[in-house]
Amino acid sequence: SQQGEEDPQALSIQEGENATMNCSYKTSINNLQWYRQNSGRGLVHLILIRSNEREKHSGRLRVTLDTSKKSSSLLITASRAADTASYFCATALYNNNDMRFGAGTRLTVKP
Amino acid sequence: SQTIHQWPATLVQPVGSPLSLECTVEGTSNPNLYWYRQAAGRGLQLLFYSVGIGQISSEVPQNLSASRPQDRQFILSSKKLLLSDSGFYLCAWRATYTGELFFGEGSRLTVL
Repeated sequence: SQQGEEDPQALSIQEGENATMNCSYKTSINNLQWYRQNSGRGLVHLILIRSNEREKHSGRLRVTLDTSKKSSSLLITASRAADTASYFCATALYNNNDMRFGAGTRLTVKP
Repeated sequence: SQTIHQWPATLVQPVGSPLSLECTVEGTSNPNLYWYRQAAGRGLQLLFYSVGIGQISSEVPQNLSASRPQDRQFILSSKKLLLSDSGFYLCAWRATYTGELFFGEGSRLTVL
């Protein structure tokens, strides 16, 4: 069964705008990760945030984590057409080796 | 550096035929290995994961199986494919200290 749920399912914005995607999960986690998938390709890891962290930055990416609400958000600033892809959150549970993914958000950035 | 290889990249099989997808990892030892399936436009469904040779944890499939005959080899199999087995199959290994997953390029299976 899936652990995370991304919101929205699809997002379409203009180049230069910011894109925000949200992820909710159900159980206590060790960390939460965001991945990107170009159409027909494997997933690529973007950023990891641990359960004791509230915010993390990497380049144009900003991730927040609210463990009390069991939710996370991914913000992509100053988006580019090349950011067009599907974005997934994945959760790693404590003392558990499996990694569960949400259904993803399909982001389209129009030039 | 670590690399992960998956093959075949594309496969078209008739219903009832067998399946074998292979995944190998290079540049790391004793990795956690994963098989996921992705239906068109959907998220990833965890099928199997393995923490070591011969150790397989199964999540969902009834007609799929996985094996890990060597430390860095993970095989997904079926004796008789169903139409519902069509999808994009992804193999991944997990970095021990960072916890991130590294994915192969995927195998697209169409069952007719």
